[in-house]
Amino acid sequence: GAVVSQHPSWVICKSGTSVKIECRSLDFQATTMFWYRQFPKQSLMLMATSNEGSKATYEQGVEKDKFLINHASLTLSTLTVTSAHPEDSSFYICSGRTANYGYTFGSGTRLTVV
Amino acid sequence: GQQLNQSPQSMFIQEGEDVSMNCTSSSIFNTWLWYKQDPGEGPVLLIALYKAGELTSNGRLTAQFGITRKDSFLNISASIPSDVGIYFCAGPGSSNTGKLIFGQGTTLQVKP
Repeated sequence: GAVVSQHPSWVICKSGTSVKIECRSLDFQATTMFWYRQFPKQSLMLMATSNEGSKATYEQGVEKDKFLINHASLTLSTLTVTSAHPEDSSFYICSGRTANYGYTFGSGTRLTVV
Repeated sequence: GQQLNQSPQSMFIQEGEDVSMNCTSSSIFNTWLWYKQDPGEGPVLLIALYKAGELTSNGRLTAQFGITRKDSFLNISASIPSDVGIYFCAGPGSSNTGKLIFGQGTTLQVKP
């Protein structure tokens, strides 16, 4: 089946610093990756759609200058949270889409900004 | 925009009991997906439904795609402690961008 590897699984950073989260598709080529944020006891909220070789499409209300997405290859998409603040603390999840296996999710990254 | 209304929000049941949860929408979905999320993990696909009226099983799990294409349910029979987690229904939005729309989730707790 399709596997998406997401790293790191958790990260603690100081307020004002930047954090990069990586998602790799291990056995398929992901032309599109989706990035979600999930707050405790809530559903997944789509932040942006990442397209290989082009600019990401952000959902309404998501700051593209704060959440930088790069999808430079068919197997790697990254999300960088710039100048992180405590309110950015959340669970971030990526997802790749394949023709045969539908949507496959990474294992998530728990970001804590102190 | 499109929304999926999932209920119940949470359930606390005894081991061995059966569980039922459902998802409804005011708009038509052509695919219904049911996911389970364990704490600190990403969602994992349980069952995918592609055809109105379809009834599909995966072990102790059974899901159905409603005839109207506006609803779906998921049943878990003879629950066990490892069934604990959050269950989400989801479906591709109508915008044809591949975006998934998620229900609010049903948190299941099982008492041994």
